[in-house]
Amino acid sequence: AQSVTQPDIHITVSEGASLELRCNYSYGATPYLFWYVQSPGQGLQLLLKYFSGDTLVQGIKGFEAEFKRSQSSFNLRKPSVHWSDAAEYFCAALANQAGTALIFGKGTTLSVSS
Amino acid sequence: GAVVSQHPSRVICKSGTSVKIECRSLDFQATTMFWYRQFPKQSLMLMATSNEGSKATYEQGVEKDKFLINHASLTLSTLTVTSAHPEDSSFYICSPRTEVYNEQFFGPGTRLTVL
Repeated sequence: AQSVTQPDIHITVSEGASLELRCNYSYGATPYLFWYVQSPGQGLQLLLKYFSGDTLVQGIKGFEAEFKRSQSSFNLRKPSVHWSDAAEYFCAALANQAGTALIFGKGTTLSVSS
Repeated sequence: GAVVSQHPSRVICKSGTSVKIECRSLDFQATTMFWYRQFPKQSLMLMATSNEGSKATYEQGVEKDKFLINHASLTLSTLTVTSAHPEDSSFYICSPRTEVYNEQFFGPGTRLTVL
């Protein structure tokens, strides 16, 4: 079955430190990959997406993600975290097949300490 | 582009009543509409998939008679929670998919609280 795994439920990072959030997928063929951020009580905001091509993807708010086919991973990174980055982060995958839905990982809660 | 509106943003209702949530894709046509539910501190779980003019397909464990989905046009879909109970309290998010962009977009969500 298709699935998306985010191994880390909760991560705490010091402000100014680097961040990496892990994401692994299990699909028959490489899906389209996405990272979303959700602040408490808010909707989803798309950070970045990977369809094909360059495996290092730049997103908004200084985030980037790297697609590694050999590891079935799409980890999210940021070189220097700001307190405003504290939120819930979701990795998601979409099969290249009409009518199929995005499947989400369980999410990683990011806390930022001062 | 790719603007999705959802109404209402927040609703409180009494147990046993029905609530309708509207989702509109404002600047594109949604060939497929997905409805998700998100309980507090949990991920988004797919409830159902609908194509314009067709009956919705529901995920396992989602009652089709309780969560009525209408996808009457390529820009409008509604989710009606019938005879709502406190356990239906959740964050409901619509997500239209367009094959033109080959991705999904998301509405801002509706917070339903059933007393």
